[in-house]
Amino acid sequence: DAKTTQPNSMESNEEEPVHLPCNHSTISGTDYIHWYRQLPSQGPEYVIHGLTSNVNNRMASLAIAEDRKSSTLILHRATLRDAAVYYCILGGNQFYFGTGTSLTVIP
Amino acid sequence: EAGVAQSPRYKIIEKRQSVAFWCNPISGHATLYWYQQILGQGPKLLIQFQNNGVVDDSQLPKDRFSAERLKGVDSTLKIQPAKLEDSAVYLCASSRSTSGTYSYEQYFGPGTRLTVT
Repeated sequence: DAKTTQPNSMESNEEEPVHLPCNHSTISGTDYIHWYRQLPSQGPEYVIHGLTSNVNNRMASLAIAEDRKSSTLILHRATLRDAAVYYCILGGNQFYFGTGTSLTVIP
Repeated sequence: EAGVAQSPRYKIIEKRQSVAFWCNPISGHATLYWYQQILGQGPKLLIQFQNNGVVDDSQLPKDRFSAERLKGVDSTLKIQPAKLEDSAVYLCASSRSTSGTYSYEQYFGPGTRLTVT
């Protein structure tokens, strides 16, 4: 089932940018790349998604490699409220969360 | 805009008992999802509805789990009889998608934490 590979954990200093990587070498042409995050004791929260082009919204930026086999979620200035598990998901025939990357933000 | 509502928030039952969870999606969202999240794991999709029809229930344990979405709005997920391994958080999500694809974002409810003793 696992179509994406993410580091188990990452750390970042507060107010610094964070780059969360995701590998998805078996992506198909119609798979959307989604990012969700989950804070403790809450349901997952949508962050951003895209198909081929880089995407920006108020929460983050999504950089997609030209061959689409990897992507990077960019949080421009990490805050303590950004500490969460971040999931990279391919939305095609299935929507598989995996175990995500646990982000720790250091004050 | 009101978010996805779920009830109850917590439920404790004994094994072999029955339990039901309710979900009210965001108004106008055609697609509704039920996920199971076991402690320490990511959510796992159990069933996906588009309006009141099932799009994907390939990971739903049909011998004990059932779900319905009458009139294409609210949905109920039932477990009968419950097992110890069903202890998890059950999440409901909805999406504007009308094609069954994952081109739209999903909005999640707070979940129901089920403990089976």
